Amino acid sequence: GNSVTQMEGPVTLSEEAFLTINCTYTATGYPSLFWYVQYPGEGLQLLLKATKADDKGSNKGFEATYRKETTSFHLEKGSVQVSDSAVYFCALSPTGGGNKLTFGTGTQLKVEL
Amino acid sequence: KAGVTQTPRYLIKTRGQQVTLSCSPISGHRSVSWYQQTPGQGLQFLFEYFSETQRNKGNFPGRFSGRQFSNSRSEMNVSTLELGDSALYLCASSLEEDTPQHFGDGTRLSIL
Repeated sequence: GNSVTQMEGPVTLSEEAFLTINCTYTATGYPSLFWYVQYPGEGLQLLLKATKADDKGSNKGFEATYRKETTSFHLEKGSVQVSDSAVYFCALSPTGGGNKLTFGTGTQLKVEL
Repeated sequence: KAGVTQTPRYLIKTRGQQVTLSCSPISGHRSVSWYQQTPGQGLQFLFEYFSETQRNKGNFPGRFSGRQFSNSRSEMNVSTLELGDSALYLCASSLEEDTPQHFGDGTRLSIL
């Protein structure tokens, strides 16, 4: 079946540090890949997405590239802010699978001054 | 444009009771999906409805059911509640298949 593996958290960084959160997936075919962010007490917000190999999703300074050869979709940001503190979820939606998302376990990010 | 609205935000029930949660999707969205979020199991897909028909189903017991109305609003029902049903239940809507899903803030269900 489909699965998503994320790096364990929490990840603690100083403001302006570089961020990488690793995500790898297992799926047949060419799934769509997503990063969602969840702030305390809220639902999930779509951060970025990629629908085919070598696509780069980007939003609010965050980027992730769909790497078919390594089945990865790592999230990166060049300079994090305190306001980026949240839980980040990597997810996939299988090709032709409707809207059934499979999520990773989430990675909590804490950014300190 | 209004987002996905879930009601109620918080709910407390006792074992054996049943509960109904409501979700109003973004206007024009025809797909509504439900997810359960717990600290132990993470985010798990429950089911998806599209144009009033269940299109996908996750691996949950039959106590979990749902439906969608002609205006795309959806309800989720859980019968014979168990302690393990305590969770944040999230609803997401999207325009069509394979389009990004937009989530509501969830209903936090606590079972005593």
